[in-house]
Amino acid sequence: GDSVTQMEGPVTLSEEAFLTINCTYTATGYPSLFWYVQYPGEGLQLLLKATKADDKGSNKGFEATYRKETTSFHLEKGSVQVSDSAVYFCALGAAGNQFYFGTGTSLTVIP
Amino acid sequence: DGGITQSPKYLFRKEGQNVTLSCEQNLNHDAMYWYRQDPGQGLRLIYYSQIVNDFQKGDIAEGYSVSREKKESFPLTVTSAQKNPTAFYLCASSTTGGVSGNTIYFGEGSWLTVV
Repeated sequence: GDSVTQMEGPVTLSEEAFLTINCTYTATGYPSLFWYVQYPGEGLQLLLKATKADDKGSNKGFEATYRKETTSFHLEKGSVQVSDSAVYFCALGAAGNQFYFGTGTSLTVIP
Repeated sequence: DGGITQSPKYLFRKEGQNVTLSCEQNLNHDAMYWYRQDPGQGLRLIYYSQIVNDFQKGDIAEGYSVSREKKESFPLTVTSAQKNPTAFYLCASSTTGGVSGNTIYFGEGSWLTVV
């Protein structure tokens, strides 16, 4: 069945460091791929998405490219800030409005 | 503004009580979902509904019940049969039938604590 595997955390970075959070997926068909961010005590917010192979989603300095050949959708940011500290979830949207989420990666950015 | 409203934000339940969490959306989405999140953990699907008057069990439906009488509303009842209900509950809704794929959106969540 469809599934998402994302990098285990927690991840701790210094401010202005480069961020990569790995995400790979298994899917039949042609899924959409998403990254969500969750701040403490809040719901998940859509960060970015890509709907087909080679699409790049981007928002607030974060980017992820839909790589069909490697079944990956890694999240990257060139220079993280303290305000980026949160939990990040990779997700897959499949046919029939089914969604599959990774287990989340906690990011802490220290000044 | 369009969005998903969950209430209450915080709820305390005594042993043996049923409680109902409200979820309302004004996004005109057909599909709605309930997830449970335990501290430091991922999301687990409780129930989902693709259309009014129809819903399906998710991975952890035991001890929970839902109804979908209106497109905008998808309340979740946590029954006394749910032995460990203390958790963060997230309601979500999604677009359907999109040419470029559907997207799921979340409410702000409700904290339920058993006292």
